[in-house]
Amino acid sequence: GENVEQHPSTLSVQEGDSAVIKCTYSDSASNYFPWYKQELGKRPQLIIDIRSNVGEKKDQRIAVTLNKTAKHFSLHITETQPEDSAVYFCAAIPFDNYGQNFVFGPGTRLSVLP
Amino acid sequence: DGGITQSPKYLFRKEGQNVTLSCEQNLNHDAMYWYRQDPGQGLRLIYYSQIVNDFQKGDIAEGYSVSREKKESFPLTVTSAQKNPTAFYLCASSISNRPQETQYFGPGTRLLVL
Repeated sequence: GENVEQHPSTLSVQEGDSAVIKCTYSDSASNYFPWYKQELGKRPQLIIDIRSNVGEKKDQRIAVTLNKTAKHFSLHITETQPEDSAVYFCAAIPFDNYGQNFVFGPGTRLSVLP
Repeated sequence: DGGITQSPKYLFRKEGQNVTLSCEQNLNHDAMYWYRQDPGQGLRLIYYSQIVNDFQKGDIAEGYSVSREKKESFPLTVTSAQKNPTAFYLCASSISNRPQETQYFGPGTRLLVL
């Protein structure tokens, strides 16, 4: 089955710097890759996603890149702000005729230092 | 944040006791999911349901049971067979079981063992 690894597990950056989180997946059939942000004590919320037919997607300060050949995708946050501090989860969805089963990475705790 | 709710926010279980976590959604979503979240780990799928009166085991279904008698409700029972139930439980829903549909999460229930 699909296996998703995520690095780093913790990341501290100074406010205004960029942050990059990388995920690798094992199933070449996976074709949808969402990123979720979970603030302390709150529910995960989708912040950006990418499908396998594109290599990059951007939404203001957040971007995601996908390398299907290498089977990895990355989240890029530019001009980080204290409110970006949270745990970020990546996920991959393997092709499944019986419905979707997200496989999540273990998460990255991002701390933005003022 | 509305649309999908979970109760209670905190739940305490005594040894040998079954407890039931509630998940309700008014989004008219067909698919619903239960995840378990442990510190330092990603979200792991317990059970999912693509439609009323249907549900499938996820990766860690042992010691859990579910029902889907109504479209808007997907309760999870943590049975006495689950030997390590302490965790944060998240319910999610999506419009349908088609791949790549966004999942929306509830606020979560934290289960603690007395």
